[in-house]
Amino acid sequence: DAKTTQPPSMDCAEGRAANLPCNHSTISGNEYVYWYRQIHSQGPQYIIHGLKNNETNEMASLIITEDRKSSTLILPHATLRDTAVYYCIVRVGRNFNKFYFGSGTKLNVKP
Amino acid sequence: DTGVSQDPRHKITKRGQNVTFRCDPISEHNRLYWYRQTLGQGPEFLTYFQNEAQLEKSRLLSDRFSAERPKGSFSTLEIQRTEQGDSAMYLCASSTSKQGALDEQFFGPGTRLTVL
Repeated sequence: DAKTTQPPSMDCAEGRAANLPCNHSTISGNEYVYWYRQIHSQGPQYIIHGLKNNETNEMASLIITEDRKSSTLILPHATLRDTAVYYCIVRVGRNFNKFYFGSGTKLNVKP
Repeated sequence: DTGVSQDPRHKITKRGQNVTFRCDPISEHNRLYWYRQTLGQGPEFLTYFQNEAQLEKSRLLSDRFSAERPKGSFSTLEIQRTEQGDSAMYLCASSTSKQGALDEQFFGPGTRLTVL
């Protein structure tokens, strides 16, 4: 699987958009980008995933660059409960099963 | 859907003892994964089952570790002769390979192991 690079930490003001970047410059054509988050002392929680196109769901938006070498997770209106470690992961299609989490980005949402 | 459950949530043991953890996946999920997470790091893949078959094992899974999923439902992870370096959170996840399913992995709350 391709490796990912994320900043170790970011701050965001409550109510503002949080934009979390991820670099996956070695991604191959059939690898999906997944985002998970982990709130302290809980298991990781799925947020969103995508292959080429931008994706949006009730939690977040995922913007993938045209060359697919980087992506940005957007939390449109961050709340204090969004404080967590966010992991960007790439994996091959639906039949390749292990995730490589890396160290993630600790997002601190401040009042 | 009650989610993925793990038991126990916390385990403290002395070095050299054996421990066993249990994971109950979401009922219709045929895929089950074990990960290990140490402080400040992301989860690391340990092993993967599809139904009762163990299809992949990480090099992290030493000979002291064994995982089973005898009937394709719950799974156990056993660590023999525990060492202090085994202290970590052990996470279980499940997913489905059903056609058209999202195949996202749903994680349990984890079992925190402390080896004294």
